[in-house]
Amino acid sequence: NAGVTQTPKFRVLKTGQSMTLLCAQDMNHEYMYWYRQDPGMGLRLIHYSVGEGTTAKGEVPDGYNVSRLKKQNFLLGLESAAPSQTSVYFCASTPGGGLVSYGYTFGSGTRLTVV
Amino acid sequence: QQQVKQSPQSLIVQKGGIPIINCAYENTAFDYFPWYQQFPGKGPALLIAIRPDVSEKKEGRFTISFNKSAKQFSLHIMDSQPGDSATYFCAASRDNQGGKLIFGQGTELSVKP
Repeated sequence: NAGVTQTPKFRVLKTGQSMTLLCAQDMNHEYMYWYRQDPGMGLRLIHYSVGEGTTAKGEVPDGYNVSRLKKQNFLLGLESAAPSQTSVYFCASTPGGGLVSYGYTFGSGTRLTVV
Repeated sequence: QQQVKQSPQSLIVQKGGIPIINCAYENTAFDYFPWYQQFPGKGPALLIAIRPDVSEKKEGRFTISFNKSAKQFSLHIMDSQPGDSATYFCAASRDNQGGKLIFGQGTELSVKP
C-alpha cells in the first residue's frame, strides 16, 4: 500500500549510543516532517523538509539531525541518545506547494526507549 | 510556548453522547485548523478541517465549530460510538510556511457501550 513507512518500529538504546530512523514515502510528496509524541505534550515538530536537499528546524530540534538526500526519504539521527529522547517518533508527509489543506499522511511510528 | 491549547485531556461518554473537545490558539495568522484522530499503535489521520472564513463545518457525525473573535474552535462528535474511542488532536497552521502543523496536547476519548 502507498504511504509512509518508518523503520524500525521499536528500538532500545543505551545512553550515548547513536541511531538513525528512516522514513520513506512513495506518494511523491514534497514536504516531510519528523514529530515526537509524548504524553500530555501532543506532537512536537523536530525538523522538517520542503524538498530534496532542504531541511529546517522545528520546535524541538536539539539533539537531532536530519537529512533529505532523496525526495522519498527523510532520515532522523540521534548522535548521542539521552533518556529525555525516549518517545514515539512519527514521520509525516504532504504534497506541499504552499497550501496546507492537503493534510498529512503519517507513518505508524517508532517507539524509542533510551536507558 | 504552547500556541495551541487543547482541553480536556481525557473524556468519557456513553454511547450516543456528544463529546466536545475544545482548542484555543494564540497566533491570529493561523488560517487552517485540522483535527486528527489517532488509534492506539497507529499514526494520526486527518479527520476534518476548517478555515476561518466559515463558522462551522460538518462531515458525517463530526462537526467543527469555529469562533474567530475568541480564537477558539471545537470538535463535536454526534451519536458517538465505541469505535470513536481514540485520541484526538487539534492543530493549526498557515499557508506558505512549509506546511508546519502546531498540535494541541491531545484528548483521549473513551465511548462506553
